[in-house]
Amino acid sequence: ETGVTQSPTHLIKTRGQQVTLRCSSQSGHNTVSWYQQALGQGPQFIFQYYREEENGRGNFPPRFSGLQFPNYSSELNVNALELDDSALYLCASSRGVAAYNEQFFGPGTRLTVL
Amino acid sequence: RKEVEQDPGPFNVPEGATVAFNCTYSNSASQSFFWYRQDCRKEPKLLMSVYSSGNEDGRFTAQLNRASQYISLLIRDSKLSDSATYLCVVNFLNNNDMRFGAGTRLTVKP
Repeated sequence: ETGVTQSPTHLIKTRGQQVTLRCSSQSGHNTVSWYQQALGQGPQFIFQYYREEENGRGNFPPRFSGLQFPNYSSELNVNALELDDSALYLCASSRGVAAYNEQFFGPGTRLTVL
Repeated sequence: RKEVEQDPGPFNVPEGATVAFNCTYSNSASQSFFWYRQDCRKEPKLLMSVYSSGNEDGRFTAQLNRASQYISLLIRDSKLSDSATYLCVVNFLNNNDMRFGAGTRLTVKP
């Protein structure tokens, strides 16, 4: 177990709805990254939060947004859900933003959009 | 060309076999390289970082060829427990933008 937790485990939404996913980082980690993993693909970088600020973003539209709280936990919000948003959403925490820092992944939230 | 490209496999090998996975990346400025392992319906976990001089961890050996923009992972004496998907990971434009390959699936059979 990595100490990174995510909630909920599974979620079913319909097109157009909004969703909030949550992540608690491992103790001592101040950086959280979010990834989207479609079936049969590797994780795709959505964005990263460091000390409550967005610290980099992948190729995802603005309807994907996030927050990081003072305790370094984080939320991923997705507005106007589309069918293609169906995926496993993973968060990973690390001790700082440097690329050589190991990222510890949570178990993920499986989102299904109908 | 994909940013990070891997042979998807699947690789089906007997116990005790040696198997090698390859990965190519498109950004010559990339600085950090990793192999992650992902079991079915589980989260990815770091297997090993890849250093310029190559590195070994038990039965696992990672190599980096910057000139060819190529990373490899060699697994010797395969165990049943090595069955998983192996993900090649490269930092892309910034230190925080990690790009994953689609993964190579390995099944080790008795």
